[in-house]
Amino acid sequence: NAGVTQTPKFRVLKTGQSMTLLCAQDMNHEYMYWYRQDPGMGLRLIHYSVGEGTTAKGEVPDGYNVSRLKKQNFLLGLESAAPSQTSVYFCASRQSSGANVLTFGAGSRLTVL
Amino acid sequence: AQTVTQSQPEMSVQEAETVTLSCTYDTSESDYYLFWYKQPPSRQMILVIRQEAYKQQNATENRFSVNFQKAAKSFSLKISDSQLGDAAMYFCAYRQPTGTASKLTFGTGTRLQVTL
Repeated sequence: NAGVTQTPKFRVLKTGQSMTLLCAQDMNHEYMYWYRQDPGMGLRLIHYSVGEGTTAKGEVPDGYNVSRLKKQNFLLGLESAAPSQTSVYFCASRQSSGANVLTFGAGSRLTVL
Repeated sequence: AQTVTQSQPEMSVQEAETVTLSCTYDTSESDYYLFWYKQPPSRQMILVIRQEAYKQQNATENRFSVNFQKAAKSFSLKISDSQLGDAAMYFCAYRQPTGTASKLTFGTGTRLQVTL
């Protein structure tokens, strides 16, 4: 099925370890986003991209890096994981114009011990 | 910066009854989009309904409808004939139609329980 695929779905890390979350979409969407969801705080934007080779900071970018080398992929990296980064991460994408809504991935639950 | 406020952390409704979830937002823009998303226990974010600010008519989708009050910056969701499958977290969200990436700003969510 067409959509947004996130890998991995679950991961447990130790403090200081690094990891990369992969988001892949097959809908030829220009815009892609990474959000984190924490209890009582809704979804907050980490980073986003308006096209291949471009990225920008969102509301809570500290401790994360991103890359968009290919239009269909948007990677979220944690160079040195901290317990404060324990969260559920959502990737989303959409077309660049109109009222087109976000298509979300199924989420990735990350626990940092 | 735009903000979205959902003042009801939890709501409960009996099956077949009607419930209204509240949402207010703050913006200086005149043109924008508003959304309600549903997040069931599966964690998947599902679009429930959307509203364009330039449209005066309230959006409806089957049992879901909104009360959009632009001057009051209010965007409430009404669920009629509630079903057990409506139990979920509901998020209100705001987006500008233009601007860099037109990012979506979410409220903190309302957890809806549906009882028999």
